[in-house]
Amino acid sequence: AQTVTQSQPEMSVQEAETVTLSCTYDTSENNYYLFWYKQPPSRQMILVIRQEAYKQQNATENRFSVNFQKAAKSFSLKISDSQLGDTAMYFCAFVPWGGGSRLTFGEGTQLTVNP
Amino acid sequence: GAGVSQSPSNKVTEKGKDVELRCDPISGHTALYWYRQSLGQGLEFLIYFQGNSAPDKSGLPSDRFSAERTGGSVSTLTIQRTQQEDSAVYLCASSLQQGLGEQYFGPGTRLTVT
Repeated sequence: AQTVTQSQPEMSVQEAETVTLSCTYDTSENNYYLFWYKQPPSRQMILVIRQEAYKQQNATENRFSVNFQKAAKSFSLKISDSQLGDTAMYFCAFVPWGGGSRLTFGEGTQLTVNP
Repeated sequence: GAGVSQSPSNKVTEKGKDVELRCDPISGHTALYWYRQSLGQGLEFLIYFQGNSAPDKSGLPSDRFSAERTGGSVSTLTIQRTQQEDSAVYLCASSLQQGLGEQYFGPGTRLTVT
């Protein structure tokens, strides 16, 4: 079974600054995907970024980037130049490659961007 | 194209009543998933469909919960004899193919059992 842990229930950052959200996971799988999803108050879950475990290069999407450390089973999200619209709950999620495709989510981190 | 849609957006029902929640996945997505998001419980998996079959329904919390999918498209989650602990947001997601990456979520149905 897989577990995903987000140890920061809440974080805040000033607009235009950089913030890093932490995520660790535990699995015996060698091939898998990791994701960060964002859930604003509208409750729509939005995919922010994905990482394939077999890729050593860290994924980036505009202001969002990850630090993927496979050996340490760590997958943090860095948000640069934070914007008010980044205020949301952020979930780290894991899915193994191939069958059994349920997403396993962390507990979430509530990020507030202050003006 | 259109994303995942769910209806109703909100549902208030009395304890003991049956409810049906509907999910329309993204066209062409063969895999469909139901999750439940409760306060203090986080996001929990309920069931997933590959086509019209449900290889994994291990997350359904009791036999009051059932789901079906028809035509490889629309799915309905039915909760019979609702209880107050069923109050939650029910999220549906779809993906292009089983186990090959990201799932795209609908806006959810907020169920309140009074």
